[in-house]
Order: sequence, then C-alpha cells, then structure tokens
Amino acid sequence: DTGVSQDPRHKITKRGQNVTFRCDPISEHNRLYWYRQTLGQGPEFLTYFQNEAQLEKSRLLSDRFSAERPKGSFSTLEIQRTEQGDSAMYLCASSLARRNTIYFGEGSWLTVV
Amino acid sequence: DAKTTQPTSMDCAEGRAANLPCNHSTISGNEYVYWYRQIHSQGPQYIIHGLKNNETNEMASLIITEDRKSSTLILPHATLRDTAVYYCIVRVASEGGSEKLVFGKGTKLTVNP
Repeated sequence: DTGVSQDPRHKITKRGQNVTFRCDPISEHNRLYWYRQTLGQGPEFLTYFQNEAQLEKSRLLSDRFSAERPKGSFSTLEIQRTEQGDSAMYLCASSLARRNTIYFGEGSWLTVV
Repeated sequence: DAKTTQPTSMDCAEGRAANLPCNHSTISGNEYVYWYRQIHSQGPQYIIHGLKNNETNEMASLIITEDRKSSTLILPHATLRDTAVYYCIVRVASEGGSEKLVFGKGTKLTVNP
C-alpha cells in the first residue's frame, strides 16, 4: 500500500497521559498536514509542514500539542497531558507540491477516559 | 471559515444519478474547487477538482457554472457504497503557503436501495 499511513489507528488513554501519533506520507510528498475531526464535524486544520519546516499552525494547536517532521519524511503529533476534549480522530495528509492533490490517511482515533 | 455552503443531507435512489450542489459565491479567480467524500470512520477520499472547465474522471463529473459561484458534483450511477459525507472545498492560499483545505460540514448523501 502506497497511501498515507497512520499509527496507531486507535488509542485509549487516561486523562493526563501523553500520546504520540505517527504519520508516514506518500513517498516523495514534501508537504504534510495534520487535521483533527470530532463527531459530526468536518476535519479542522492543525498544522502544515513543507519538508522538515513547520510553516503553519492553527490556533487550535495549543501548547500541549507538538508536531515534528525530522528529515522531512515521517511526522509525529504528540499531545501532552491529555484532556477529554482531545478525544477525536487525528488525520494526516500529504501532497507532492503546491496545488497538487492532498491525500489523507485513515486517521488515528483517540479516546481520553 | 469554509467558503462553501452545501445542503445538510440528500437522498438518492440506487442506480440513479446523484447531483450534489455547492455554493461558493466568494471564490477568487485562481482558487480551485475540490470535492472529497468521507465514509464513516475513514479518512477523506479525493474525488475530483476543477478551476473553470467541467471535469470528469472515473468517479464523478464536476460541473462549474460560468461565473464560478457554484458547482455540482455528479455521481452518474449511485450505488449503496456511495453513501457518505461529501465535502465541497475551495482551496485557498494561506500565509504559510500551505494551500490547505478548509472543510465545512458537507452533505450527507444516503443512497437507498
């Protein structure tokens, strides 16, 4: 499978714990996006990388959230001190270049109990 | 905020054409219209996009009005597997250069047997 890969697909964690999600974009795609989606809503943009540089961050990305893309390949999204409101699906997407189609992964579901 | 408005829900009979409308009256001359769909619990799937001309691919057709203020996605022979939420998106440039997708709530299409 050569699509966008996300891991883990499902994560249940206790409030206050830290969680990390990984995204492997489509090979050679230098643009990478993270989105969050809650039930009944469309996906909301969180952050954008071009190669290893994080060029755009949404106001939704609080101080407890951090994203990295070392070496411009895979990316990680870490949530520290999780809260129940963080329960959502976290989507990763990638594209080859400006104006190229953005392709999404299957998402990582987070449940904070 | 999303630059598009769509009906909340639509129904279609299996085997018939599904016509999903979208209004984007504030679209700028160089902004593309994208359509994605999302089947329950999966990541958004790219369908089609266009700028001015009508477009067709193996999944659907996209009809854009001459003034570009609205468009229609056509699924020519809807099947039960086309039941999904369909998102019409105007892809805009942003400060970070991401040209991210800004999702609205989409149209919930139900294909009935």
